[in-house]
Amino acid sequence: AQSVAQPEDQVNVAEGNPLTVKCTYSVSGNPYLFWYVQYPNRGLQFLLKYITGDNLVKGSYGFEAEFNKSQTSFHLKKPSALVSDSALYFCAVRDGAAGNKLTFGGGTRVLVKP
Amino acid sequence: SQTIHQWPATLVQPVGSPLSLECTVEGTSNPNLYWYRQAAGRGLQLLFYSVGIGQISSEVPQNLSASRPQDRQFILSSKKLLLSDSGFYLCACHTPTSGPYNEQFFGPGTRLTVL
Repeated sequence: AQSVAQPEDQVNVAEGNPLTVKCTYSVSGNPYLFWYVQYPNRGLQFLLKYITGDNLVKGSYGFEAEFNKSQTSFHLKKPSALVSDSALYFCAVRDGAAGNKLTFGGGTRVLVKP
Repeated sequence: SQTIHQWPATLVQPVGSPLSLECTVEGTSNPNLYWYRQAAGRGLQLLFYSVGIGQISSEVPQNLSASRPQDRQFILSSKKLLLSDSGFYLCACHTPTSGPYNEQFFGPGTRLTVL
């Protein structure tokens, strides 16, 4: 069975500093990985995904993620954080079974301070 | 691109009352549809998914049920709500014809409080 771990409940970073949100995964077969962001009382917004190819994936709002097969990680990064990046971030892995289901991590709250 | 509507946006219901949450999708055909629950602003729990009209798969045995009467309509129901049913309910869709590895899109959610 697939699983995703986000080891940090919260990440605090000063505005303008680099931001990293960690994600590790466990899958049987090829990993298909996703990052979503959620603002308060809103649905999830898709940021980026890794399917195959280049290990560095670029997404929306200046975010990128690095896929590392040997470390089974897919960390989300942003070179210079903004206060508006404060939100809840979810990593997910596609379930290989029917229905194209996603298994989500527990989420990491990011707080960017001015 | 698809748009997902959910209503109501907010709901306060007494324990033991029935529930009906609706999700409709625009801009796509034959989508896979999903109901998630998010408790306490954290992790997402997949409740049900559907790959077609009348086809419902339940992920977690519980007090809730789901139905899909039309291709782009997904309904979450309960006959008698429990306190533990409180949470933020999210509907999501995925269009298989767009590719099996494409992302799910989420609706705006319904905040349910059971008192």
